[in-house]
Amino acid sequence: AQKVTQAQTEISVVEKEDVTLDCVYETRDTTYYLFWYKQPPSGELVFLIRRNSFDEQNEISGRYSWNFQKSTSSFNFTITASQVVDSAVYFCALYTGRRALTFGSGTRLQVQP
Amino acid sequence: GAGVSQSPSNKVTEKGKDVELRCDPISGHTALYWYRQRLGQGLEFLIYFQGNSAPDKSGLPSDRFSAERTGESVSTLTIQRTQQEDSAVYLCASSSDWAGELFFGEGSRLTVL
Repeated sequence: AQKVTQAQTEISVVEKEDVTLDCVYETRDTTYYLFWYKQPPSGELVFLIRRNSFDEQNEISGRYSWNFQKSTSSFNFTITASQVVDSAVYFCALYTGRRALTFGSGTRLQVQP
Repeated sequence: GAGVSQSPSNKVTEKGKDVELRCDPISGHTALYWYRQRLGQGLEFLIYFQGNSAPDKSGLPSDRFSAERTGESVSTLTIQRTQQEDSAVYLCASSSDWAGELFFGEGSRLTVL
């Protein structure tokens, strides 16, 4: 089975708060890739990050950081000091090579000014 | 163009009519994907092309749905005898590598009355 679960349907925060978006995945493969995509109100999905299954180092890019933990099959995404422009739907996705990229159901983030 | 181009951007049709949705991938991208996104929902995989062959058609919801791709170029998604539940945004994405970094178009919004 290949599955991505984003349990948080919607999160609302006030600007400058930190927020973490959860992602849990399932796969029997030992080689796989995990992704986060952002879908702003305009609708076009934007690639944020790709991480392969052999690299558990956390990654930081500006206000964005990702925590990959194979022990819990999680790939969580944290936005530090959130801004209104961060308001979007965020999708976590899994690629194993057996099937096309499998997306979670998404988490809608609303950042209030 | 520089990005993935989809047409039409909006299509309103009557139940029972056939529709064709077109996708122009980024030049040189060998992989092409179709996803469906219903209002407020996640991305539902439909079909994946590698070149002009379709190794994964597992997501096509019924035999009313079909897709073709010419070489490593344009793809057409055809929905025959449209039903109201076909109303959604149909997203096309292309990729230059096997490990899943997808570049998405803006989608074709289909409304079946």
